[in-house]
Amino acid sequence: GEDVEQSLFLSVREGDSSVINCTYTDSSSTYLYWYKQEPGAGLQLLTYIFSNMDMKQDQRLTVLLNKKDKHLSLRIADTQTGDSAIYFCAEKLGNAGKSTFGDGTTLTVKP
Amino acid sequence: EPEVTQTPSHQVTQMGQEVILRCVPISNHLYFYWYRQILGQKVEFLVSFYNNEISEKSEIFDDQFSVERPDGSNFTLKIRSTKLEDSAMYFCASRGDGNRGHEQFFGPGTRLTVL
Repeated sequence: GEDVEQSLFLSVREGDSSVINCTYTDSSSTYLYWYKQEPGAGLQLLTYIFSNMDMKQDQRLTVLLNKKDKHLSLRIADTQTGDSAIYFCAEKLGNAGKSTFGDGTTLTVKP
Repeated sequence: EPEVTQTPSHQVTQMGQEVILRCVPISNHLYFYWYRQILGQKVEFLVSFYNNEISEKSEIFDDQFSVERPDGSNFTLKIRSTKLEDSAMYFCASRGDGNRGHEQFFGPGTRLTVL
């Protein structure tokens, strides 16, 4: 079955880059997502990558995908205090499938 | 941009009571989902719904749970006899077809507290 793993905590200083890592088990995953959840709030889709891509850049966000190792990362450049949140990695099989989420990485940005 | 809405934002209930959580998906979407997140844990899939029937459900979604699309706009999750362990944040999601057909749009969630 599908399983998605993330490290639980990351702490960085404001202005530094943050790299959040994720591994997944299902090699047939078609889409991989990064969601942001601020305290008490819902899930905000930050970005996604198709499984046939290696990299996707969207402003301060860079997603890297290593299909061979089933490893996904999210890099946030010039991290700000407003980036402090929980970041969830999720995988999905095709359009119709459910999303399987990781445990979430709590990012703390110190001034 | 259109968004998924959920009501109430917080529901407190006594153990054994029935609760109905409500969602209004994005209007032209056809696929609907419920997920839950127990405090401090990962987001877990409960059920998906398409064409007026359940298309997939998880082990969590037992006989105590049911879903319904009672009209053209609402999508509900009913828990018949709530247990303490049902306390969680419940997220509704919907998706459409086309270029963004793979994206699930999540609502803000309903926090359910069972006492």
